[in-house]
Amino acid sequence: SQQGEEDPQALSIQEGENATMNCSYKTSINNLQWYRQNSGRGLVHLILIRSNEREKHSGRLRVTLDTSKKSSSLLITASRAADTASYFCATDRGNTPLVFGKGTRLSVIA
Amino acid sequence: GAVVSQHPSRVICKSGTSVKIECRSLDFQATTMFWYRQFPKQSLMLMATSNEGSKATYEQGVEKDKFLINHASLTLSTLTVTSAHPEDSSFYICSARVLDRGRVDGYTFGSGTRLTVV
Repeated sequence: SQQGEEDPQALSIQEGENATMNCSYKTSINNLQWYRQNSGRGLVHLILIRSNEREKHSGRLRVTLDTSKKSSSLLITASRAADTASYFCATDRGNTPLVFGKGTRLSVIA
Repeated sequence: GAVVSQHPSRVICKSGTSVKIECRSLDFQATTMFWYRQFPKQSLMLMATSNEGSKATYEQGVEKDKFLINHASLTLSTLTVTSAHPEDSSFYICSARVLDRGRVDGYTFGSGTRLTVV
């Protein structure tokens, strides 16, 4: 069953702008992760944030986690056309499999 | 880093035939492997969890006799789609948990298999 709900479902921005995607989940978690998937391809792991962390950075990516609101956000700064992809959040509770959200389709227009 | 190799990447088969998809952990031991299915423009849906040396655990609504999972070794898990039908056409992807000193440090995914049943 899916736990995460991303919004927006689709996002279209100009190159150079920032893209923000949000994810909400329903139950307690151990970790939350963000993945990217190019059309018809496999998943690329972007970043993992643990339940006791509030913010994490990796290059142009910034992830926040608010466990009280059961939500997370992914910010991509200075977006590029190559960032065009679907982005999924996924949660786990330790020894459970990852449960994926519905994803956000990001289009970055050059 | 931990890598899962998935084969084949693409397969076309006739209705009624069976297709086997393999996932190998290349530089680590995967006692547990997860199998997901993804329909076009949708998210990944967990099908089953395979455990080395024991029976797989299937999610509700997934037919275990149709999607046979075998995890006979610490580095190989297979998914066989039996008597495939066009509605089984989908993107199948496997995943293994990566541990660092016993703590979950992420998940690694195979590159996926695009199955088309004609």
